[in-house]
Amino acid sequence: EIVMTQSPDSLAVSLGERATINCKSSHGILFTSENRESLAWYQQKPGQPPKLLITRASSRYSGVPDRFSGSGSGRDFTLTISSLQAEDVAVYYCQQYYAVPLTFGGGTKVEIK
Amino acid sequence: QVQLRQSGPGLVKPSQTLSLTCAISGDSVSSDTAAWNWIRQSPSRGLEWLGRTYYRSGWSYDYAGSLGSRIKISADTSKNQFSLQLNSVTPDDTAVYYCASGWALTWGQGTLVTVSS
Repeated sequence: EIVMTQSPDSLAVSLGERATINCKSSHGILFTSENRESLAWYQQKPGQPPKLLITRASSRYSGVPDRFSGSGSGRDFTLTISSLQAEDVAVYYCQQYYAVPLTFGGGTKVEIK
Repeated sequence: QVQLRQSGPGLVKPSQTLSLTCAISGDSVSSDTAAWNWIRQSPSRGLEWLGRTYYRSGWSYDYAGSLGSRIKISADTSKNQFSLQLNSVTPDDTAVYYCASGWALTWGQGTLVTVSS
């Protein structure tokens, strides 16, 4: 099983400032035949299902604001919110889809400072 | 864009079977490019993938090893839906259960299932 480790558990950022969330996988998740990292990022607000933000480590999903960006390769990945808005308060999760069982990070709670 | 609508009871007694269904719109359960997952979320376990089914030349199933033989996922092509059965439930199976499509996932609305007598 591929273990996904997120850090920090929580962070507080001022409105308009940058938020950075890290995710580390216990194994490589590069799908070599397509040269893509099998990593997704999600945003979850209370009482709602997770919402897909990023696929392939760095591709924004349809309709996701461009202040959200993903980066990374190998075993280390990052989600960046370039200018935090009030509506970005949520818990964020990474997930690998390279192999079953699909596995998720423990989540990072983002709050306003 | 695929949409998923879940249905099923929110309360199940210990030792009984949890059954949920996920109706699909915007795609076909027998699409040869799709996959159909069940995931649950609880404070103690976080997000836990339970299993999936998908159709290529035939139906395939993958399950989380932690559930052993308690889990069964099935697909109904006539209703364009897929289902979860989890047998012999205990209070530890209390969670919000989600259906989801794909690998990077699109999620249903979730169903809180409480296991209690």
